[in-house]
Amino acid sequence: GAGVSQSPRYKVAKRGQDVALRCDPISGHVSLFWYQQALGQGPEFLTYFQNEAQLDKSGLPSDRFFAERPEGSVSTLKIQRTQQEDSAVYLCASSLANRNTEAFFGQGTRLTVV
Amino acid sequence: ELKVEQNPLFLSMQEGKNYTIYCNYSTTSDRLYWYRQDPGKSLESLFVLLSNGAVKQEGRLMASLDTKARLSTLHITAAVHDLSATYFCAVDLYILGNEKLTFGTGTRLTIIP
Repeated sequence: GAGVSQSPRYKVAKRGQDVALRCDPISGHVSLFWYQQALGQGPEFLTYFQNEAQLDKSGLPSDRFFAERPEGSVSTLKIQRTQQEDSAVYLCASSLANRNTEAFFGQGTRLTVV
Repeated sequence: ELKVEQNPLFLSMQEGKNYTIYCNYSTTSDRLYWYRQDPGKSLESLFVLLSNGAVKQEGRLMASLDTKARLSTLHITAAVHDLSATYFCAVDLYILGNEKLTFGTGTRLTIIP
């Protein structure tokens, strides 16, 4: 596709439910990033993939958060046993491998935990 | 730990006026990005600043980077209503082959007719 695509756009989950958020990066982009954006805040880094390798997961807030990119393209962010504090917009971004190129962001998934 | 601070956090300005948004960061980096975000939308890339002294301009917006002062500015000239949005700066830390952007808290800009 022309841009980074994320689904679903909106997700309402009951506390304790597991959720899976999908990201389709721009075709050919090697690098993929997940960010969490709480209401009224700037995005915060969660994790980074280069192809299928997860090179940095230092931003994942707890072991309930898990991300994968098994074939180096589509990525899934999974949150187990969701809590209210997980409510946020989850943004995915992708870029070419060259560090001098910018990252392009998807429209995000707005997760609301009730 | 890298800290990125923007000021002001909120800015209301009249159409036709000029103003500057400031972005300070705490760790050496030579790469800084400016993004625009409209309500409910994703981040739109505005500028990529890749070296000390870099200056880029697009329409009524101009961004600059001073890596020695660890400061970037986004200057708005003769503001128009269409520029109302939240603006984020983000610093790129590239450590051990790993990339991550650290964002500022954002500046919510409202242009008043």
